[in-house]
Amino acid sequence: QVQLQESGPGLAKPSETLSLTCTVSGDSVSSGSYYWTWVRQPPGKGLEWIGFIWNTGSTKYKPSLESRVTMSLDTPKNQFSLMLTSVTAADTAVYYCAGGRFYYGMDVWGQGTTVTVSS
Amino acid sequence: QSALTQPPSASGSPGQSVTISCTGTSSDVGGYNYVSWYQQYPGKAPKLMIYEVTKRPSGVPDRFSGSKSGNTASLTVSGLQAEDEADYYCSSHAGSNNLVFGGGTRLTVL
Repeated sequence: QVQLQESGPGLAKPSETLSLTCTVSGDSVSSGSYYWTWVRQPPGKGLEWIGFIWNTGSTKYKPSLESRVTMSLDTPKNQFSLMLTSVTAADTAVYYCAGGRFYYGMDVWGQGTTVTVSS
Repeated sequence: QSALTQPPSASGSPGQSVTISCTGTSSDVGGYNYVSWYQQYPGKAPKLMIYEVTKRPSGVPDRFSGSKSGNTASLTVSGLQAEDEADYYCSSHAGSNNLVFGGGTRLTVL
């Protein structure tokens, strides 16, 4: 049974870089059984897809975030990560990592981690 | 890449059926059979209920079903139960490995 756990600072200052990590258990991030993704949810609002990363390290980012987003795999640690640069208050959200075995349907989710951007 | 359109709310009485719509364009919902639906309880992570328009992951009750016509996808919950009260989100492939979510629908069981 695959399980995901997000970790990272809960607070970031405006203009700084946000870094989050998702630790995977029950499968290898490089196995190819899952693709991996980050999704966020601002307070009281809906879900927003941030990007995908595949077992090869290939990525696809939401076009409107592409200039600020980097995703990567850490195979030895069995983790994947998210970096978001130049954050503003609009980036305040619960950030979820997720994995999918189905085409564009994510069936495994972490519990989410709250990130607040404030000075 | 605009968000898919869902009604903000839907409701039904226990035992009834309710359908939630998800409207996009020919570039997303209408162009691909890759619509998914998620259930989310307050403070919890989303749960995949439907993928590829009509398919249910293992463990999802068959009271949940999905369909699509043109640019609109739908989630139908039959035999409503109190535990079905939650937020529901659709998502769709939008070409070139892009994904777009709907704004979400709060389902209330009266």
